[in-house]
Amino acid sequence: QQQVKQSPQSLIVQKGGISIINCAYENTAFDYFPWYQQFPGKGPALLIAIRPDVSEKKEGRFTISFNKSAKQFSLHIMDSQPGDSATYFCAASSAGKLIFGQGTTLQVKP
Amino acid sequence: DSGVTQTPKHLITATGQRVTLRCSPRSGDLSVYWYQQSLDQGLQFLIQYYNGEERAKGNILERFSAQQFPDLHSELNLSSLELGDSALYFCASSVELDGQPQHFGDGTRLSIL
Repeated sequence: QQQVKQSPQSLIVQKGGISIINCAYENTAFDYFPWYQQFPGKGPALLIAIRPDVSEKKEGRFTISFNKSAKQFSLHIMDSQPGDSATYFCAASSAGKLIFGQGTTLQVKP
Repeated sequence: DSGVTQTPKHLITATGQRVTLRCSPRSGDLSVYWYQQSLDQGLQFLIQYYNGEERAKGNILERFSAQQFPDLHSELNLSSLELGDSALYFCASSVELDGQPQHFGDGTRLSIL
């Protein structure tokens, strides 16, 4: 019930394309859903986050879509760039602690 | 730069030994969280401290312990180390008890030989 399932495990996208990563959760007590970006040798860095009372949030090229009834949320990266190549983690939070998905390795080809 | 500082960056030690990992949270943040990242388990929550008190525990082994000091820095102590403890250990901080967002440091890479 505490799991967050993330897919795909890896993703290759051409420069300028749209990258889509999906996550699903079971625990309806989760009240905060962030996405983190991690580069090799670095810690996870917050990209964008959403709360369950909102269905979509956009920040620049990054958009979270949230479907509360389906208990799913996704990250869309528009106009993907080679500099976006990294590992992306979705997470869900209840009472502070973060439960992470398994991560998606994104490669954006020039 | 997240403002969260972790030391050391790398630690190499042997089985059975004990190590201490240190974390300085962002200025003004009262909550500190510890996470373990490994290839097989992913990123897992270990423990949370808020203003010096333990507030939540995750999948933390009994061989591991943590504390948060009056100046709000935190230490994670790992003892009787096993090969399987090799991982990246991250510290994160946030302003409030159940506060988001959490800002992560760059981690300590622990290698057990």
